[in-house]
Amino acid sequence: DAKTTQPPSMDCAEGRAANLPCNHSTISGNEYVYWYRQIHSQGPQYIIHGLKNNETNEMASLIITEDRKSSTLILPHATLRDTAVYYCIVRVKGAQKLVFGQGTRLTINP
Amino acid sequence: DAGVIQSPRHEVTEMGQEVTLRCKPISGHDYLFWYRQTMMRGLELLIYFNNNVPIDDSGMPEDRFSAKMPNASFSTLKIQPSEPRDSAVYFCASRGLETGELFFGEGSRLTVL
Repeated sequence: DAKTTQPPSMDCAEGRAANLPCNHSTISGNEYVYWYRQIHSQGPQYIIHGLKNNETNEMASLIITEDRKSSTLILPHATLRDTAVYYCIVRVKGAQKLVFGQGTRLTINP
Repeated sequence: DAGVIQSPRHEVTEMGQEVTLRCKPISGHDYLFWYRQTMMRGLELLIYFNNNVPIDDSGMPEDRFSAKMPNASFSTLKIQPSEPRDSAVYFCASRGLETGELFFGEGSRLTVL
């Protein structure tokens, strides 16, 4: 699976959009970008995934650059409950292993 | 569905004792994963099963660790004998064949004194 690079930490004000970047310059054509988050003391939670088109669901939006070498997870109106570690992972959709990096620790401030 | 269910939620034991962690995956999911999380090493994949068969156990740290899945609705992770460095949160996760996402349990926090 391709390696990803994320900033170790970020802050965002409550009510604002939180934009979390991820670099995956070695991504291959059949690898998807997945995002998970882990709220303190809970198990990781799936957020969203995409291949090359932008994706949106009830939790977030995923913007993937045209060359697919980077992506951004957008939480449109961040709340205090969005404080968590966010993991960006790239892998082939049918691949079984999901390997977590260190992620980005996002803190939403009141 | 109740989600992935793990037990116990917390376990404190003494070095040398046997520890058994249990997991019930989501009904209909045919993949089951065991992860371990520590501050130093983050989330590590230990082993995963497909249709109750172990597929990859390369992440299991050593022979003291063993995992079984006797049927589609139950798995165990056993540590014998336990050591203080095994202290961690152990997560179980499951997924279905058609979906890409994993569903995690709440974890079992193990402390070995």
